[in-house]
Amino acid sequence: AQSVAQPEDQVNVAEGNPLTVKCTYSVSGNPYLFWYVQYPNRGLQFLLKYITGDNLVKGSYGFEAEFNKSQTSFHLKKPSALVSDSALYFCAVRPQNTGFQKLVFGTGTRLLVSP
Amino acid sequence: TAGITQAPTSQILAAGRSMTLRCTQDMRHNAMYWYRQDLGLGLRLIHYSNTAGTTGKGEVPDGYSVSRANTDDFPLTLASAVPSQTSVYFCASSVEAGGRGEQFFGPGTRLTVL
Repeated sequence: AQSVAQPEDQVNVAEGNPLTVKCTYSVSGNPYLFWYVQYPNRGLQFLLKYITGDNLVKGSYGFEAEFNKSQTSFHLKKPSALVSDSALYFCAVRPQNTGFQKLVFGTGTRLLVSP
Repeated sequence: TAGITQAPTSQILAAGRSMTLRCTQDMRHNAMYWYRQDLGLGLRLIHYSNTAGTTGKGEVPDGYSVSRANTDDFPLTLASAVPSQTSVYFCASSVEAGGRGEQFFGPGTRLTVL
């Protein structure tokens, strides 16, 4: 069965500094990988996804993520953090198999960007 | 467009009572999902529907039922609520089940069972 690990419950970064939110996954075969963001009292919003091809994926709000198959990782990055990036971030994985495969979420990482 | 709407926004429910959480999407997506979000556990799939007329069990289906009479609506029913069902419930949809498409989420329903 597939699984996702987000090893940090919280990441603290100063505004203007680069940020990284870590994600590793386990799946049979090749993965579809997703990042979502959740602001307080809101639903999850899609940020970006890896399907195939280029390992560096660019998404919304200046975020990007790098797929590393050998390390089974899909870390979320942004070159310069904003206070408004403070939120809860979820990584999710689904195997590239035919038929229905549920999307499995990590437990989330809270990003706190200080002014 | 509204995307996905959920009702109610929040609810306090006595244990043993029944309740239906409503979910409607206007994107004509085939697939819909119900998740619950609990602190430290992330999101867990309760039930899903690949297309109108079909439903399936997710990771934590016990105590919940769903129906999918049409494309737009996917209500979640708690027949006899228990305190462990206190959670935030999110409805989501995608163009198709599984596959490479992302899911779109509603704003959630915060349910407290006392």
